[in-house]
Amino acid sequence: GAGVSQSPSNKVTEKGKDVELRCDPISGHTALYWYRQSLGQGLEFLIYFQGNSAPDKSGLPSDRFSAERTGGSVSTLTIQRTQQEDSAVYLCASSFRLAGAGDEQYFGPGTRLTVT
Amino acid sequence: AQSVTQLGSHVSVSEGALVLLRCNYSSSVPPYLFWYVQYPNQGLQLLLKYTSAATLVKGINGFEAEFKKSETSFHLTKPSAHMSDAAEYFCAVSPMNYGGSQGNLIFGKGTKLSVKP
Repeated sequence: GAGVSQSPSNKVTEKGKDVELRCDPISGHTALYWYRQSLGQGLEFLIYFQGNSAPDKSGLPSDRFSAERTGGSVSTLTIQRTQQEDSAVYLCASSFRLAGAGDEQYFGPGTRLTVT
Repeated sequence: AQSVTQLGSHVSVSEGALVLLRCNYSSSVPPYLFWYVQYPNQGLQLLLKYTSAATLVKGINGFEAEFKKSETSFHLTKPSAHMSDAAEYFCAVSPMNYGGSQGNLIFGKGTKLSVKP
């Protein structure tokens, strides 16, 4: 079946502009996660959704970052007034249940964001 | 707070040699542990996971890992490296509180494996 898809695959934007990153999880997966991968920094957890709700927003780096999930499916990560330090690969993952239940997270290919 | 430490950001082995990638975790409650692999310009793929069943876990592509509670380790091994194993490997822990999981994974900083012919 289809895996996790993300769009766009690459995004170049000017500093100060807003961007939206989209994630389509695997059908039937209730949990959805956003991570950020920066060079030399590993993977940084941003936010996760259980259904449409996000119990833990503490990983979002600033109030310029927000995310929503509608219909228990597609999620959008929005970065307002982008800064150069936002340049990274943004990875989305989904799982049938939460990671704490031992379920595997399936990752999308990522969106490479470059802020000029 | 739970954390994951991967010793060695780069590991280089010869083809056919043993692969050993080290991972230590910090957790007051035995967690779930995962190893993921990332090939260039691709997303992460699960190699194997430990969920409190057998302490020796076998994964895909001939990899295995052993959970050692006394050493808080979950090292990844493969008896004989292949050129196709060249990739970046990430160890991850599912943080557990006494009330249950927080939902996300905490990743180590990754180990880039190079395989020499």
